Amino acid sequence: AQSVTQPDIHITVSEGASLELRCNYSYGATPYLFWYVQSPGQGLQLLLKYFSGDTLVQGIKGFEAEFKRSQSSFNLRKPSVHWSDAAEYFCAVVGDYKLSFGAGTTVTVRA
Amino acid sequence: NAGVTQTPKFQVLKTGQSMTLQCAQDMNHNSMYWYRQDPGMGLRLIYYSASEGTTDKGEVPNGYNVSRLNKREFSLRLESAAPSQTSVYFCASRGQGLNTEAFFGQGTRLTVV
Repeated sequence: AQSVTQPDIHITVSEGASLELRCNYSYGATPYLFWYVQSPGQGLQLLLKYFSGDTLVQGIKGFEAEFKRSQSSFNLRKPSVHWSDAAEYFCAVVGDYKLSFGAGTTVTVRA
Repeated sequence: NAGVTQTPKFQVLKTGQSMTLQCAQDMNHNSMYWYRQDPGMGLRLIYYSASEGTTDKGEVPNGYNVSRLNKREFSLRLESAAPSQTSVYFCASRGQGLNTEAFFGQGTRLTVV
């Protein structure tokens, strides 16, 4: 069975600092991986996705993620955080049409 | 350009009452999903439908039933609501292919008292 683990429940980062959110997945075959963001009171928006090819993928809002098969990881990064990046971030994996999410990481941005 | 539409947006139920959450998408997507979101638990999959005519259990199906009425609509039914079902419920849909993104509705905030 597929699963996603996001080890960090909450991260606080200063505006302008770099951000990295961790995601580990479990899936027997080639994974299809996604990162979504949820702003307070909103639905979910896709940041980026990986399904093959280059292991570093670029997304919207200046985010990128690196796929490492050997570590079963798909970590999300942003070089310089803006106050508007405060939100909850979810990693997800698709297998056999089933879309499973991690528990999420809440990001707080301090001035 | 509605995308995924969920109704209602808010609902308060008494323990034991039943209700159906409605979801419709206008993107001609094959797959549809129901999730519940609780603090610290992320989005947990209740049921999904890979295509019209099929439904499968997710991680937390107990206490729920679903109907894939047609390609557009996927409803979630609570037969006898319990306080443990107080949550925010999201419907989502995805197109053909495993690498396609999911589009989400705005959610239904359900409180069971």
